Amino acid sequence: QVQLQESGPGLVTPSETLSLTCTVSGDSVSRSNYYWTWIRQPPGKGPEWIGYVSYTGGTKYNPSLESRVTLSLDTSTNHFSLKLRSVTAADTAVYYCARELLTPVSRYYFYYMDVWGNGTTVTVSS
Amino acid sequence: DIQMTQSPSSLSASVGDRVTITCRASEGIKNDLGWYQQKPGQAPKCLIYAASILQSGVPSRFSGSGYGTQFTLTISSLQPEDFATYYCLQHNGHPRTFGQGTKVDIK
Repeated sequence: QVQLQESGPGLVTPSETLSLTCTVSGDSVSRSNYYWTWIRQPPGKGPEWIGYVSYTGGTKYNPSLESRVTLSLDTSTNHFSLKLRSVTAADTAVYYCARELLTPVSRYYFYYMDVWGNGTTVTVSS
Repeated sequence: DIQMTQSPSSLSASVGDRVTITCRASEGIKNDLGWYQQKPGQAPKCLIYAASILQSGVPSRFSGSGYGTQFTLTISSLQPEDFATYYCLQHNGHPRTFGQGTKVDIK
């Protein structure tokens, strides 16, 4: 059974870098058709997609965050990471890691997020 | 970005009621859409993908339909454990985008 677990500081100072890690157990981050995703949810709001790093190490980012975010994959330790630079109070949120899976159905392929971490709360404050 | 507009934003219903939530995409996304359920303090959970395919383990009272720009999530007979917030999420383009959510609470 695949499990994801976020870890990192719960409090970050404004203008600093937020760094989170998602540890994957029960499967390999380098298996084909997996896209390792970060999503955040500000208090009382809906989720926002941050981006993903694929099983090949390729990345896709939300343009609204692209200038400040870096996602990476570490196959030796089976985890993936998020770095968000120059944070402000607007970056306060619950941060989730998730696996987006590309799965075949008949002649077609579909994506969906089938496994999620429990989420970690990050507060940006001095 | 593809905008996802969900309605209603909230609804009150009773156990046993039939509930319908709709999601409209700002451009055609074929059937690259999922429905996710989120309970307080928990991560979202995928109920349906590819607009109409039930995720493994999800009760059959949940169903989805739609193609292009209009999508529907239906709960045929609402159960106590279904009171939650529901989000649509498009997987057709980047960035992935969620609807604003529909909170289902007890009448």
